[in-house]
This record gives sequence, C-alpha cells and structure tokens, in this order.
Amino acid sequence: DIQMTQSPSSLSASVGDRVTIICRASQSISSYLNWYQQKPGKAPKLLIYAASSLQSGVPSRFSGSGSGTDFTLTISSLQPEDFATYYCQQSYRTPPYTFGQGTKLEIK
Amino acid sequence: EVQLLESGGGLVQPGGSLRLSCAASGFTFSSYAMNWVRQAPGEGLEWVSAISGRGDSTYYADSVKGRFTISRDNSKNTLYLQMNSLRAEDTAVYYCAKEVDAEVGATSFKYWGQGTLVTVSS
Repeated sequence: DIQMTQSPSSLSASVGDRVTIICRASQSISSYLNWYQQKPGKAPKLLIYAASSLQSGVPSRFSGSGSGTDFTLTISSLQPEDFATYYCQQSYRTPPYTFGQGTKLEIK
Repeated sequence: EVQLLESGGGLVQPGGSLRLSCAASGFTFSSYAMNWVRQAPGEGLEWVSAISGRGDSTYYADSVKGRFTISRDNSKNTLYLQMNSLRAEDTAVYYCAKEVDAEVGATSFKYWGQGTLVTVSS
C-alpha cells in the first residue's frame, strides 16, 4: 500500500503568515493528491484536488503543487478561519486511499 | 443540494455487530461510487471501504477486511456498512463520502456526511 507522510505534524503561525505543508508519497502517485481541511467536530472539507486544482468556493489564498511523490499545500496569507487540521490523501488508481497523518495549524 | 446522512452508530460490546447506513439525496445515487472513512477520537482520518456505483466492485482497508462489508441499495439511495467482530480499535466517527464518478479510483471526496459515532466497549 502507498504510505503518505505529512510534515510538520503541527505548526504555529500568525494571521498574515505564509504557510507550507508538505506531503510525501512512498511511491509515485502522479497528481492523484487531494488536500482537506478539518475543524473540530466537523467533516473534512475538500480544498485542493488533483494536486493543484482549487475546489470551487475555496479562497484563492490556498494553493497546491507537486507531482510524483512530493506535494505541497500553501496558504499565502493566513486568516483566522484557517486554523484547523489539514490532511493530504492519495487516490492513485484503486483503493486503499491513504491519508496523511494530519497537520494541526495553531495560532501563535 | 447533495446531502449524506449517516445513522446506526452507538455503543456495542467487543465482538458485537452494527450496521451503519448513509442516506443520500440531491444526486443520482447509482452514478457515483461511495466510501466510508473513519476517525478515532483525537486521531486522523482512515479510509475504510469503497463501492462502485453499480455495487459490483468493493474495496477494504486491511484493518477491516473479513469483518466489515460495504453494500448499497440504489433503489433506496442508501449506502451500508455491516460491521462484525467489532474491536475497541474500531471506535470512531464513521463518515460516508461521495466519489466523483461511478467507478472507484482516481477521485476526491467533495461531499461528506456529518458522521456517526461507533463506540466499542464493554
């Protein structure tokens, strides 16, 4: 099975900061990489699909890049509502669809 | 509007069984593959199982293979997860999630239910 490794596992930042979260796959997954945001007690929300496509309705300060094994999620200017946990997910070919372990973004 | 509504969670003893349901509305249910994803308390997301739109292809995580069965009733727009031989480590919020196509694979989960809590404890 494909393993997904996210870093860092937690991150403290301030409103207005630029933040980058990294996700690495144990083998090439082409661009089959999604990013989700989850707030406490809520279902995950799709932010980015196919590595770099912004889901409709998601603010443009969110962006994704990468292909193969290395991927990044960037938030260009943190807003108060962005403090949450972020997960990457690979969907290369058929399941299992592996998630990264998550990155908790906290207010500094 | 797409809506997914899980039900069937609750407290069950180790070794017991439970069946979760996910009622879907707002889209042509049979045209989309569906998934179950779970999240243990304070932990990350774990993909559990997937089923194609026609129900003829199913997939399972190794952690539940042989114990859980995914199925769907397209006439009732409902997804199911039959969970047998439950263990303490199956304690989690279980979400259903919709894929982007009828076939499983190369997908993303734009739509999720609100989740249903399963607690396995004596």
